[in-house]
Amino acid sequence: ETGVTQTPRHLVMGMTNKKSLKCEQHLGHNAMYWYKQSAKKPLELMFVYNFKEQTENNSVPSRFSPECPNSSHLFLHLHTLQPEDSALYLCASSSSALARISPLHFGNGTRLTVT
Amino acid sequence: ELKVEQNPLFLSMQEGKNYTIYCNYSTTSDRLYWYRQDPGKSLESLFVLLSNGAVKQEGRLMASLDTKARLSTLHITAAVHDLSATYFCAVGTWDNQGGKLIFGQGTELSVKP
Repeated sequence: ETGVTQTPRHLVMGMTNKKSLKCEQHLGHNAMYWYKQSAKKPLELMFVYNFKEQTENNSVPSRFSPECPNSSHLFLHLHTLQPEDSALYLCASSSSALARISPLHFGNGTRLTVT
Repeated sequence: ELKVEQNPLFLSMQEGKNYTIYCNYSTTSDRLYWYRQDPGKSLESLFVLLSNGAVKQEGRLMASLDTKARLSTLHITAAVHDLSATYFCAVGTWDNQGGKLIFGQGTELSVKP
């Protein structure tokens, strides 16, 4: 149990589908993050939310749409994805995006395959 | 743009041997993090290094930070099979809106008997 729970663990979707990834943290943190982990590439930061406000969008295509209804929940809505979007999507949280010391706590990730 | 580079990317070592993983970064930062990831698992925080000259040790792993050289090292002493995993360094960057971590490519470590 990492304190950060992601669902589903695995997702296979076609390019015309719409799906959502869910992340929930039970650590009382106020910042949440989406990272993309592709084979043989560094973890890529996608979005940052601090106290429910988006503070970072790292030039992510609009086919990825994040939503943060409260500090404990983070969603990533997916539509018309491409095969190159297949990757492990990791959610993380920290006490605050302004806290310089706090490390990130990661969930187990959602393994996404786009067919 | 902050870039973080690790080397080596792959490391195969024998049990009982010592080795060092290097993490270089391109712009000033005084926060450096090391994470471990086992196959199919989440990233686990190992060390947070907060200042120049910081050194932290946990078991057979020791991490250090030289902010002037923009270099962190993760030293493995007398490796054992349980240390096989992928190790990531990450550098913190902050502005008035908040912070984020930029990760290196990861070093895949395999410890063989």
